[in-house]
Amino acid sequence: QKEVEQDPGPLSVPEGAIVSLNCTYSNSAFQYFMWYRQYSRKGPELLMYTYSSGNKEDGRFTAQVDKSSKYISLFIRDSQPSDSATYLCATIIQGAQKLVFGQGTRLTINP
Amino acid sequence: DTGVSQNPRHKITKRGQNVTFRCDPISEHNRLYWYRQTLGQGPEFLTYFQNEAQLEKSRLLSDRFSAERPKGSFSTLEIQRTEQGDSAMYLCASRLGLAGGWTDTQYFGPGTRLTVL
Repeated sequence: QKEVEQDPGPLSVPEGAIVSLNCTYSNSAFQYFMWYRQYSRKGPELLMYTYSSGNKEDGRFTAQVDKSSKYISLFIRDSQPSDSATYLCATIIQGAQKLVFGQGTRLTINP
Repeated sequence: DTGVSQNPRHKITKRGQNVTFRCDPISEHNRLYWYRQTLGQGPEFLTYFQNEAQLEKSRLLSDRFSAERPKGSFSTLEIQRTEQGDSAMYLCASRLGLAGGWTDTQYFGPGTRLTVL
């Protein structure tokens, strides 16, 4: 079993829809949680990071962490075709160096 | 451009050949990371440098792989006697590590895509 599980999709939604992307993790020692966006043939780009449980909002993006259920979510409101990419959740233990990634979910926003 | 840069962007080689990739981190970032990403998967950690010291290596980093960061600035990743299973995107990331704990995240370069024929 992988430490971080993420549905690979693909996920296809119409422009303007609310998108929900999710990950689960198994190690309760993970304390920081990140979402990266990766366009085709590019490196991952950090979107958001959160510490411990709770919500964090940045424009159209909201990251949510529920440590009790080991569940990570990213919501995208008013989705745009430019949001089409692969979204990777990642996590790390405080003091460690290794980011542990999910498989990535490929998202397509249709105009 | 002050981001992480990697060269070459693409490399095609024949099985058994040696290849070397270069990563230039963000200026003044003292921590540098190498990851490998295969098609349809998330990046997997390979190794980590703090300044010029290689402090952590993954089990994925077989004896055919070697990484260096000789002056604490750029880094190289060499793969000897390449195999078809080495075909992947090799990603470099850097971070400004400050005393007192984890304070920032890792910023990734565009990657080097390796194809072993």
